[in-house]
Amino acid sequence: DTGVSQNPRHKITKRGQNVTFRCDPISEHNRLYWYRQTLGQGPEFLTYFQNEAQLEKSRLLSDRFSAERPKGSFSTLEIQRTEQGDSAMYLCASSKSGGHSGNTIYFGEGSWLTVV
Amino acid sequence: AQSVTQLDSHVSVSEGTPVLLRCNYSSSYSPSLFWYVQHPNKGLQLLLKYTSAATLVKGINGFEAEFKKSETSFHLTKPSAHMSDAAEYFCVVSSGGSYIPTFGRGTSLIVHP
Repeated sequence: DTGVSQNPRHKITKRGQNVTFRCDPISEHNRLYWYRQTLGQGPEFLTYFQNEAQLEKSRLLSDRFSAERPKGSFSTLEIQRTEQGDSAMYLCASSKSGGHSGNTIYFGEGSWLTVV
Repeated sequence: AQSVTQLDSHVSVSEGTPVLLRCNYSSSYSPSLFWYVQHPNKGLQLLLKYTSAATLVKGINGFEAEFKKSETSFHLTKPSAHMSDAAEYFCVVSSGGSYIPTFGRGTSLIVHP
């Protein structure tokens, strides 16, 4: 068990460019989450997958954002036409369904995005 | 619906003194509650969790929290603060059919030598 892995850890991009982040969850975790965190704030939910199905999306996830989990393992989060307001840390987390409904989610180290 | 309120944005203590970080929750169902810690430029690490077993939960690094249903609280405590405890702490609720944990805004713990 190597934990949740995210890359790249840091990305600086020019406004208007597209960026993609990758998340590798803990093996056998069927649930995967993306959160966004800005300075001084708690993480805000973006989207949630159970296996390959994207079951929930936050209103924060504008049409410039898209997330996939094609084989129910790793996931990608793409931001198109980046804006300065997209600058944040993007956190991926995973958990395993079954057992108690209060599933424990485990977070990666995050991917920092700076849009200049 | 579920929500979390962390009552203090900053808590400042001296090394060796007790720590209290306050959290109140709101939930339509029996909640599961968690505390996570985040050190600067790092991801979130699970400190402890309550999932309807014992109301007093012990976590890592000497932290513990007590679930009080009557007060809808889940405060985090530690008897003696260490410099390495300085970090951001998040209280999190997950309940009912929602698999989407909701975070509080965080409490910054400052530890003075």
